[in-house]
Amino acid sequence: GENVEQHPSTLSVQEGDSAVIKCTYSDSASNYFPWYKQELGKGPQLIIDIRSNVGEKKDQRIAVTLNKTAKHFSLHITETQPEDSAVYFCAACKDSGNTPLVFGKGTRLSVIA
Amino acid sequence: DVKVTQSSRYLVKRTGEKVFLECVQDMDHENMFWYRQDPGLGLRLIYFSYDVKMKEKGDIPEGYSVSREKKERFSLILESASTNQTSMYLCASSSGAEDRDLTGELFFGEGSRLTVL
Repeated sequence: GENVEQHPSTLSVQEGDSAVIKCTYSDSASNYFPWYKQELGKGPQLIIDIRSNVGEKKDQRIAVTLNKTAKHFSLHITETQPEDSAVYFCAACKDSGNTPLVFGKGTRLSVIA
Repeated sequence: DVKVTQSSRYLVKRTGEKVFLECVQDMDHENMFWYRQDPGLGLRLIYFSYDVKMKEKGDIPEGYSVSREKKERFSLILESASTNQTSMYLCASSSGAEDRDLTGELFFGEGSRLTVL
């Protein structure tokens, strides 16, 4: 089955700097890669996703890149703000065959004002 | 506003007790999921359901069972709670498709923190 590795487990950045979180996956058949953000006391929420027919996707200050050959994908947050502080999870799965998402172990991002 | 509601935010139970965690969604979603979240281990799937009365094992089903009698409700049952089931439990739902595509956006509840003494 799929295995998703996520690094780093914790990340501290100064406000205004960029943050990068990296994930690798094992199943070359996986073709859907979402990122979820979990704020303190809340459930995770989808912030961006990418499918394997594109290499990069942007939404304002966040972007995700995908390298299918290397089987890795990354989340990039630019101009970080204190409200970006949260736990971020990457995930991967196939888009058919009743296969649920497999999540990475999470990255705790702290943005220091 | 979409909503997944978990019945209890905090529970304290004793070893051997039967525990029910309830989850209700108001979005008419086909798929529902139960995860447990532990520090350093991320989100691990216990069970999921893509239709009423249907259930599938996730990665860590041992010691758990589920029930989906109605589309909007998905219950997680610990038949005999043990201390290693102390954890945060998260319910989620997503819209389904005929080919059982599970890539729909997951909507999570706020979690139920269970302590087993």
